[in-house]
Amino acid sequence: QQQVKQSPQSLIVQKGGISIINCAYENTAFDYFPWYQQFPGKGPALLIAIRPDVSEKKEGRFTISFNKSAKQFSLHIMDSQPGDSATYFCAASRGYNQGGKLIFGQGTELSVKP
Amino acid sequence: DTEVTQTPKHLVMGMTNKKSLKCEQHMGHRAMYWYKQKAKKPPELMFVYSYEKLSINESVPSRFSPECPNSSLLNLHLHALQPEDSALYLCASSQEDPWSSYNEQFFGPGTRLTVL
Repeated sequence: QQQVKQSPQSLIVQKGGISIINCAYENTAFDYFPWYQQFPGKGPALLIAIRPDVSEKKEGRFTISFNKSAKQFSLHIMDSQPGDSATYFCAASRGYNQGGKLIFGQGTELSVKP
Repeated sequence: DTEVTQTPKHLVMGMTNKKSLKCEQHMGHRAMYWYKQKAKKPPELMFVYSYEKLSINESVPSRFSPECPNSSLLNLHLHALQPEDSALYLCASSQEDPWSSYNEQFFGPGTRLTVL
């Protein structure tokens, strides 16, 4: 119930294409869903986050789509660029009982080909 | 200042050594965290400090000893580590109390630790 399942494990996209990464969760108590971007040798950087009262959130080329009934959320990267090549982690948390503990997905290694 | 800094960037130590990792943030954040990350894996939570007090210890072996000297600093003292402890150690901080629902955590660049 604490797991967040992320797919695909790796993704290759052509420059200008759309990258889509999916996550699914079981615990309906989760109420915060961030995405992190991590470049090799660097720490994860908060990219975008959503709360379950919103079905979509867009920031620049990055969009989170959230389906509460299906317990799924996804990251869409529009007009993907080689500089977007990184590992992406989805996460979920419920604050009150778990000390804001982030439950991470296993990560998706994105490669954007020029 | 909107970043979390960590020193050193790289550390190589023997199994009998004692070393410390340092983390600093000047964003006035109330909570600070230590994570361990193995290659191609997500970060694993180790410790959480809230208002300079240890609030979560994820059953971490005693060879890892955290310390929070003040609200801006977080240390991780290492002693008698094993080669399998080699990993990227990440520090993070968040403005909200860890018990808050919307706990945006900001990560530092990490310390790459190698135990020989």
